[in-house]
Amino acid sequence: GAGVSQSPSNKVTEKGKDVELRCDPISGHTALYWYRQSLGQGLEFLIYFQGNSAPDKSGLPSDRFSAERTGGSVSTLTIQRTQQEDSAVYLCASSSRQGRAKNIQYFGAGTRLSVL
Amino acid sequence: GQQVMQIPQYQHVQEGEDFTTYCNSSTTLSNIQWYKQRPGGHPVFLIQLVKSGEVKKQKRLTFQFGEAKKNSSLHITATQTTDVGTYFCAGINNAGNMLTFGGGTRLMVKP
Repeated sequence: GAGVSQSPSNKVTEKGKDVELRCDPISGHTALYWYRQSLGQGLEFLIYFQGNSAPDKSGLPSDRFSAERTGGSVSTLTIQRTQQEDSAVYLCASSSRQGRAKNIQYFGAGTRLSVL
Repeated sequence: GQQVMQIPQYQHVQEGEDFTTYCNSSTTLSNIQWYKQRPGGHPVFLIQLVKSGEVKKQKRLTFQFGEAKKNSSLHITATQTTDVGTYFCAGINNAGNMLTFGGGTRLMVKP
C-alpha cells in the first residue's frame, strides 16, 4: 500500500481480555517498530523487527505483550489479559534500510486502545 | 544502551516568538532525524542530518547537528499557530542498527 496501515483504528476492551493489533508496513520495508504513546507523552519503544534477524524485544513492558512479524511483512502486537494501564495509542512504523529514504520511519495512524 | 534526551519537555510561546528544542545523545550518532507530531496525529518525518556541524533550513525551521555528532537543535523563527505540536529528535548510533527517539518537546503557541 501507499503507507503504513494499522487496524483497528480504535479498540475498546474489557479488563482481562486479550487484544490483537495489526500493522501492515510499506511494501519492501524491512524494518518495523512498535511504539506505545500515552496521552500527552512521548513514544515508548516496544519492539523492533529487522529483516530475518531476531527481534529486539527490550521495550516490551511485561510478558503479557508479544509481537510477531510473519513473512517479513505484516506484524501483530498481542496484549494478553489487558489492564487499564495498557490504555494508550499503539503506533507502528516501518523503514527501509537502503536508498535515499534509508532509516526514515513512516508511521501508521495508530490504534487507540481503551481498557475498561 | 543509547539514550536520547530532549529539552525542554514543554514550551509555551506567544505567536511571533522564536522557539528552540535541544537534543542530546549519550553516544555518537551516525545521523539525526527530526519528526513533528500534530495534536491527534502521528509523527511525520521532517529532516535528516548526517554530517558533523551540518545546518539545514526549511522555511522558518533551522536544524543543526553538533560537531561531535552527539547533539542537535531545531530552531523555529517567528512561530505561528500551525507550528503547534510535539517535535521529536531521533538518532541512529554508529552501529546503524536502530533509531532511538527523544522524549519530545511539546510546543504550544498562543495567538
